Amino acid sequence: DGGITQSPKYLFRKEGQNVTLSCEQNLNHDAMYWYRQDPGQGLRLIYYSQIVNDFQKGDIAEGYSVSREKKESFPLTVTSAQKNPTAFYLCASSMNSVIPYNEQFFGPGTRLTVL
Amino acid sequence: GQNIDQPTEMTATEGAIVQINCTYQTSGFNGLFWYQQHAGEAPTFLSYNVLDGLEEKGRFSSFLSRSKGYSYLLLKELQMKDSASYLCAVRQIKAAGNKLTFGGGTRVLVKP
Repeated sequence: DGGITQSPKYLFRKEGQNVTLSCEQNLNHDAMYWYRQDPGQGLRLIYYSQIVNDFQKGDIAEGYSVSREKKESFPLTVTSAQKNPTAFYLCASSMNSVIPYNEQFFGPGTRLTVL
Repeated sequence: GQNIDQPTEMTATEGAIVQINCTYQTSGFNGLFWYQQHAGEAPTFLSYNVLDGLEEKGRFSSFLSRSKGYSYLLLKELQMKDSASYLCAVRQIKAAGNKLTFGGGTRVLVKP
């Protein structure tokens, strides 16, 4: 089955620790995205990548880092510099960005709680 | 920048119709998406509008007026499973990486 997987579904970390969230897709999509969602809020873009070995900051990149070494994988690291990391993190992917009608497909999300 | 507004919450009765409005201000509009998101789950795609008019998909329809910066999602014959948040998202022309900007979402509660 084609899709996007994120692991783990729930993650607990102590304050001051870095943590890496996994995102893998087998849809052969070029573009991948990380969003953060806080309770009762919409999605805010953290980072995105249009192609392997390239990525750009979104609207709230501070305290986060990413890598895109493989087309299928786009891991997100939440660093200790992120002041309020507890949130629901969603990964998404889409086909080549020049196509006008180009929906994003979402993974099941990781709920990160920092204690 | 962009500004996207949706009502925070709406309540409706099973079998009824609900209309969720979305207004936006953006430079270089290039499409509007509606997603459905059940609590704690991933958003799923519902509809896409880039030209003015109504797009119908079964019980769900989406309307766009580019001159007014306005869209709505119409849910007909409401079912209990339609209780969810509905997210409006806008894409700009030449948005790098096909980026979308999302509104805050409208939580719809369907009552028996």
